[in-house]
Amino acid sequence: EAGVTQFPSHSVIEKGQTVTLRCDPISGHDNLYWYRRVMGKEIKFLLHFVKESKQDESGMPNNRFLAERTGGTYSTLKVQPAELEDSGVYFCASSQAGSKNIQYFGAGTRLSVL
Amino acid sequence: SQQGEEDPQALSIQEGENATMNCSYKTSINNLQWYRQNSGRGLVHLILIRSNEREKHSGRLRVTLDTSKKSSSLLITASRAADTASYFCATASTGTYKYIFGTGTRLKVLA
Repeated sequence: EAGVTQFPSHSVIEKGQTVTLRCDPISGHDNLYWYRRVMGKEIKFLLHFVKESKQDESGMPNNRFLAERTGGTYSTLKVQPAELEDSGVYFCASSQAGSKNIQYFGAGTRLSVL
Repeated sequence: SQQGEEDPQALSIQEGENATMNCSYKTSINNLQWYRQNSGRGLVHLILIRSNEREKHSGRLRVTLDTSKKSSSLLITASRAADTASYFCATASTGTYKYIFGTGTRLKVLA
């Protein structure tokens, strides 16, 4: 069974540009999460989808970040316009229904904003 | 201090030795999980311990949980060079989905 996959693995863009990250969760997992780790700090929650609905987006840093999960399958996270402080690793995770289940993480997308 | 804080922040040991990492958290939790991240790679799930469990084993890993102290420890026995990685604990407060991670422990196992 395929795990959580993220694309691209690494993205280098200039300040002011737009970048879109994609996450394909494990098939059948209703829950999808985005996290990020910036500047060697702790990994922080961004938001949580249940199917196509945003359940919790309390971790989204500002309105330059837009996450979607049309159809309840894969998700995209768009950063527009990107700023230097957005550099870091963006992780996606998915889990089965229920809050007690293990979240399986993807390899992450390393975003470098120059 | 932050929820899900690990200590030590960095640990360097010789191959074959045991490595112990600790994690503290603040709120009531459903479970606590440990993850490993090899340099430049994703988070790999190692072990989950539920709030009603006190100890759990998986291969060379042993995890303990003390809910009265809101702390957990991860013991890696007979360490190998391939265990070199960052280790994170993650907790989700009861009834919530979002994980809170600490800054992690960077383990270096010298061959």
